[in-house]
Amino acid sequence: DGGITQSPKYLFRKEGQNVTLSCEQNLNHDAMYWYRQDPGQGLRLIYYSQIVNDFQKGDIAEGYSVSREKKESFPLTVTSAQKNPTAFYLCASSISWTGDNEQFFGPGTRLTVL
Amino acid sequence: AQTVTQSQPEMSVQEAETVTLSCTYDTSESDYYLFWYKQPPSRQMILVIRQEAYKQQNATENRFSVNFQKAAKSFSLKISDSQLGDAAMYFCAYRSRGGAQKLVFGQGTRLTINP
Repeated sequence: DGGITQSPKYLFRKEGQNVTLSCEQNLNHDAMYWYRQDPGQGLRLIYYSQIVNDFQKGDIAEGYSVSREKKESFPLTVTSAQKNPTAFYLCASSISWTGDNEQFFGPGTRLTVL
Repeated sequence: AQTVTQSQPEMSVQEAETVTLSCTYDTSESDYYLFWYKQPPSRQMILVIRQEAYKQQNATENRFSVNFQKAAKSFSLKISDSQLGDAAMYFCAYRSRGGAQKLVFGQGTRLTINP
């Protein structure tokens, strides 16, 4: 089955700790994205990657970091510098970063800072 | 920067009836895409329907249709013959036609279906 997987589904972290959220896709998509969703708000773009070994900041990149060493993987690290990290995180991918291509979403990770 | 506004935080409709969800957006661009996404309780984002701004004809997907008013920057979603499975959060989203595929989302509308 082709698709996007995110793990874990639920993640708990103590304040001051870094944590890494996993996103893997087997759709052979070039572009990948990370969004954050807070209650009562829509999704906001954190980072995106157009191709392997390249990534760009989105609208709310402060306190986050990413890497794109493999085409199928785009992990997101929530650092201790992120002031309010409790949220629902969604990963997405598309065939390419331009053009008329649909973004497909993963099932999400719920991060709670204790 | 583009913005998307959904002014109805919650809506409800009787099963089998029709409901319309509102969305307005602000942009200086002339060519772009608009989308409606559904997020059921599982929280999986599902694309419901899309509209290309250069097309005057309103998009339709089975029971889902849009009313795209480019001059008014309005993009409403009509759901006909509402079903219990339509209960979800609905998000309106904007994407520029050129450049990177950055989606800009509205705040969402929670739709409840009453049996």
